[in-house]
Amino acid sequence: KAGVTQTPRYLIKTRGQQVTLSCSPISGHRSVSWYQQTPGQGLQFLFEYFSETQRNKGNFPGRFSGRQFSNSRSEMNVSTLELGDSALYLCASSGGLALGSNEQFFGPGTRLTVL
Amino acid sequence: SQELEQSPQSLIVQEGKNLTINCTSSKTLYGLYWYKQKYGEGLIFLMMLQKGGEEKSHEKITAKLDEKKQQSSLHITASQPSHAGIYLCGAALGGSQGNLIFGKGTKLSVKP
Repeated sequence: KAGVTQTPRYLIKTRGQQVTLSCSPISGHRSVSWYQQTPGQGLQFLFEYFSETQRNKGNFPGRFSGRQFSNSRSEMNVSTLELGDSALYLCASSGGLALGSNEQFFGPGTRLTVL
Repeated sequence: SQELEQSPQSLIVQEGKNLTINCTSSKTLYGLYWYKQKYGEGLIFLMMLQKGGEEKSHEKITAKLDEKKQQSSLHITASQPSHAGIYLCGAALGGSQGNLIFGKGTKLSVKP
C-alpha cells in the first residue's frame, strides 16, 4: 500500500507570493490533516479535512487555507507569504473514524523557504 | 504552558544501552502517538496507545500509557545507531484524532 505522498518536496518563494501544496493520503483514508513544523514552535496543527469538509482548524491566520477533493486528496494554500512561513509542512492521513481508533500516518513533508 | 511535556529534551547514549523517554500531559490523553523523525523528514509512525495501562512493543521499542492516561513512556532496549533521531509524542487532547498536539521532541544520539 502506498504511503502518504506530498508534492512538491521543496519550494522556494518570495514574500508576497502565494503557494499551493498537495497531499495524497493513503488509499481508503478519508481524513487529511496539515501541520506546520518550525524549529521555534515545533509541530503545530493547521487544519483537518474529512470527506471534503473542514473538521478542525488550528490557530493560524486566514492566509492559510485548504480543501479536500472527492478522492480525499488535499491541498493547502498560503497567500501573501511572509518570511515566518518558512517551515516544513506535513500532511497526515487516517481513516477518520471514531476517536481513539485510528493511526495517523505522515507524508515526507514539503520544505517551504520564503525569501 | 506546553500541553505535552517531553523529557529529556536530548539524550546521548552508548550503543547497547537502554533508555526511556517520557511524555506527560496535564489532561487526559485520548490516544497517544509516538513518532520518530529524522531531521527535516516526515514522521515515522511507531505506536499508538489508547487505553490506560496499555503497552505495545515493536522490535526493541516498548511504549506504555499509564493507568490514569496522563503519561506515556517510550523505552528502547539495547540501543543501536539506527535508533538515533527525534522522538515525538502526539496526543488527541482536543478529542479528534485528526488534531494532534505534539511535544517538543527528544533528540536521541547513539554513540557507536
